[in-house]
Amino acid sequence: DADVTQTPRNRITKTGKRIMLECSQTKGHDRMYWYRQDPGLGLRLIYYSFDVKDINKGEISDGYSVSRQAQAKFSLSLESAIPNQTALYFCATSDSTGGDYNEQFFGPGTRLTVL
Amino acid sequence: ILNVEQSPQSLHVQEGDSTNFTCSFPSSNFYALHWYRWETAKSPEALFVMTLNGDEKKKGRISATLNTKEGYSYLYIKGSQPEDSATYLCASLGWTTDSWGKLQFGAGTQVVVTP
Repeated sequence: DADVTQTPRNRITKTGKRIMLECSQTKGHDRMYWYRQDPGLGLRLIYYSFDVKDINKGEISDGYSVSRQAQAKFSLSLESAIPNQTALYFCATSDSTGGDYNEQFFGPGTRLTVL
Repeated sequence: ILNVEQSPQSLHVQEGDSTNFTCSFPSSNFYALHWYRWETAKSPEALFVMTLNGDEKKKGRISATLNTKEGYSYLYIKGSQPEDSATYLCASLGWTTDSWGKLQFGAGTQVVVTP
C-alpha cells in the first residue's frame, strides 16, 4: 500500500464550485505540504503544516484553504474554483527528526481541471 | 519568482552517452540541497539530500556534486539508459526563519534517453 495517498486522482469541475482534495499518510510524519505543479514552473508551495495545530501559507495560498484533521490527514480546498487553478496537485510529507533536512515523500498527485 | 534555477530545461541523450545538468541556488542561507527524480505518471522521489560543500553522492549511474559557496550543484548520469528518462528536480532548503522547513524547487530538467 502507498505511504502517501491522495483522493481523487483526477477531477473535472466547473468554475465557482467548491472542491476538496484529500491527503492521507501512514508514514507517521509530522509535516505535510500541498504543492501545485504547472508546466515550466516547478513545484510551488500552497500551504504547509508542521503539526496538527500548525498551518502556514506558502507562496501561492490565495484562493485555497487547508485543514489538518489529524497528524495523518491534510486536506486542500478550493472555495470557488477558477480555470487558472487547473494544475497537478501534490501532497507531500516529511519528518522533522533525523537531521531536519526535510526530505519530501510525495503522493501520486491529483490532476484538477476547472472548466 | 524561482530562486532556484535549473538548466537546461530539457535535453535529449543517446543511449549509452553520459550527460550532466545544473542547479543553481541562493548560497547566502543554504542549509541543504535536494535532488528528486520524477518519472511521467509517477510521484517525485528523492535521489539525494546534500548538505556539505564539496559533497558528492552516488546512486548507481547517477551522481551529484555540491558547491555551497558559489551556489550550484551538478547531476551526472553515466551511460544513460531509457529508464533514466525523467524530469530531475532540485530544491533548496534555507536556514532562515522565513525559509525553514520549506523547499524551493527549480523548474526541472527533462531528460529523454533515446535507444
